[in-house]
Amino acid sequence: GQQVMQIPQYQHVQEGEDFTTYCNSSTTLSNIQWYKQRPGGHPVFLIQLVKSGEVKKQKRLTFQFGEAKKNSSLHITATQTTDVGTYFCAGTPTGGGNKLTFGTGTQLKVEL
Amino acid sequence: GAVVSQHPSRVICKSGTSVKIECRSLDFQATTMFWYRQFPKQSLMLMATSNEGSKATYEQGVEKDKFLINHASLTLSTLTVTSAHPEDSSFYICSAPGSGFNYGYTFGSGTRLTVV
Repeated sequence: GQQVMQIPQYQHVQEGEDFTTYCNSSTTLSNIQWYKQRPGGHPVFLIQLVKSGEVKKQKRLTFQFGEAKKNSSLHITATQTTDVGTYFCAGTPTGGGNKLTFGTGTQLKVEL
Repeated sequence: GAVVSQHPSRVICKSGTSVKIECRSLDFQATTMFWYRQFPKQSLMLMATSNEGSKATYEQGVEKDKFLINHASLTLSTLTVTSAHPEDSSFYICSAPGSGFNYGYTFGSGTRLTVV
């Protein structure tokens, strides 16, 4: 079945440093979504990318969807303590309806 | 925006008993609801998809008779963990597809189930 892997699994950064998580799917995706889950909380939708090579920005967050629509990345510039949490990518396979497969997640910790 | 209300947030039950978890879409109609399970420090694993007015679709390896799903109306989906055992202890979360192109999926706040 479809597998979605993320690296790194964990990342500790100092406040102000940049952070990137990479997402790779074993199958081509019709779209990729990104979610943030705070400790003890539930996933919260951040963004959706649909087009090959698409790049979207939300303030300090930059999201990319690969040309082959099998990989994606999330980059945070100048991290803040409020960025702490686990970031998940999630995708639906091409022709696979609306069922989301979540990536393995990257846990981000930001230290002062 | 879309809101999914999930109850209870925490439940402790004895082995062998059943627990019902409810998810309600408050300001929209959810014809489909996804049920996930998440173990500590792990990702979300899709258990089943509930569809209003029809049988749920279960993922491979998920016991249908143990995890009963009912989607009785356009705003309510329930998951019942029957004859619970300690290994069923987990975080259960429901989600509904968003309406519109960029809304993503809306998640309930989750239910922390502990079976003792």
